[in-house]
Amino acid sequence: QQQVKQSPQSLIVQKGGISIINCAYENTAFDYFPWYQQFPGKGPALLIAIRPDVSEKKEGRFTISFNKSAKQFSLHIMDSQPGDSATYFCAASNTGGTSYGKLTFGQGTILTVHP
Amino acid sequence: ETGVTQTPRHLVMGMTNKKSLKCEQHLGHNAMYWYKQSAKKPLELMFVYSLEERVENNSVPSRFSPECPNSSHLFLHLHTLQPEDSALYLCASSPMTSGNEQFFGPGTRLTVL
Repeated sequence: QQQVKQSPQSLIVQKGGISIINCAYENTAFDYFPWYQQFPGKGPALLIAIRPDVSEKKEGRFTISFNKSAKQFSLHIMDSQPGDSATYFCAASNTGGTSYGKLTFGQGTILTVHP
Repeated sequence: ETGVTQTPRHLVMGMTNKKSLKCEQHLGHNAMYWYKQSAKKPLELMFVYSLEERVENNSVPSRFSPECPNSSHLFLHLHTLQPEDSALYLCASSPMTSGNEQFFGPGTRLTVL
């Protein structure tokens, strides 16, 4: 019940296209859903996050769509650029009760954007 | 130095060696974390320290021993490791107000021979 399932494992997109990565969770207590971006040789960096009181959040070219009833959320990268080529991780957490985080991560998606 | 730093960046050790990984955060955060990242697997949370007290230990073998002497420093002491422990070990920190906004270091790539 603690798992977060992420798909696809890898994704190839042409420059200017839309990249879509999906995640599904089981634990209905999760109330915080971030996406992390990781470049080779670097640690993951927080990209964008959403809470279940909204169905969509947009920051620049990055959008999270959230479907509470289906227990699914997805990352959309509009106008994908070669510089977006990285590994993307979704995560989920129950934020109640503690001052520290307990993120459950998906398996990751390797995104390659061809010029 | 800014953000979260980790040393060494790369480490090769034998199964009988003792070594330590170091993490330092310059963000004024109060919680620090150790994660293990293996190929094609989700990041695995190993330990959490909040205000220098260990609050999470996710069934990690005793050959991994964490230490948090103050809120800025975190160590992972390694002893008698196995080849399957080879992985990228990531340190992260978060502020008291938002534990889930975690900032990661670049990691230590560990190879156990």
